[in-house]
Amino acid sequence: DAKTTQPNSMESNEEEPVHLPCNHSTISGTDYIHWYRQLPSQGPEYVIHGLTSNVNNRMASLAIAEDRKSSTLILHRATLRDAAVYYCILRPLIQGAQKLVFGQGTRLTINP
Amino acid sequence: DTGVSQDPRHKITKRGQNVTFRCDPISEHNRLYWYRQTLGQGPEFLTYFQNEAQLEKSRLLSDRFSAERPKGSFSTLEIQRTEQGDSAMYLCASRPGQASGGELFFGEGSRLTVL
Repeated sequence: DAKTTQPNSMESNEEEPVHLPCNHSTISGTDYIHWYRQLPSQGPEYVIHGLTSNVNNRMASLAIAEDRKSSTLILHRATLRDAAVYYCILRPLIQGAQKLVFGQGTRLTINP
Repeated sequence: DTGVSQDPRHKITKRGQNVTFRCDPISEHNRLYWYRQTLGQGPEFLTYFQNEAQLEKSRLLSDRFSAERPKGSFSTLEIQRTEQGDSAMYLCASRPGQASGGELFFGEGSRLTVL
């Protein structure tokens, strides 16, 4: 399974943008980049995913480098509710389980 | 709420006892996954079902662990002769089969404490 590298922790202030980086230098052409987050005492929840182009949804934006070896999850205006562990995951688009392989993620702290 | 449902949410047991967890996936999701998560770590894949067929099992799933999905709807995960190292959160997730690359929907998990 292709691996991702994320900082262990980050801190930001409420109502400010947050940029969460992820390195995935061994990504293959058929790997999707997925982001999930896990709030305290809850299961992970989907945030966003992309393949080559930048993506936007109501929760966040995903900026993918041109060579696809890194990506950044952008929370445009952080709230206290965004405090969570954020996981960057490569998911192959092939037959089979298409399971998610989680790393340790980035623990995001939001200061009021 | 018609999300993934897991039961029980919390289970405390003594070492050596058997425990069973149940997962009810979102209706019409034919793919179901079990994960285990210990404190401070990301979730680890345990096993995967497509309908009633168990198609993939992790090496983490020792002989004491068994999972079933008899009718392709709900699933159970049984741990026999529990050990203290089995203490963890057990997470279930589901997704529809036709959505390649699509999101997994997770339940809130079943937390197991083995004394």
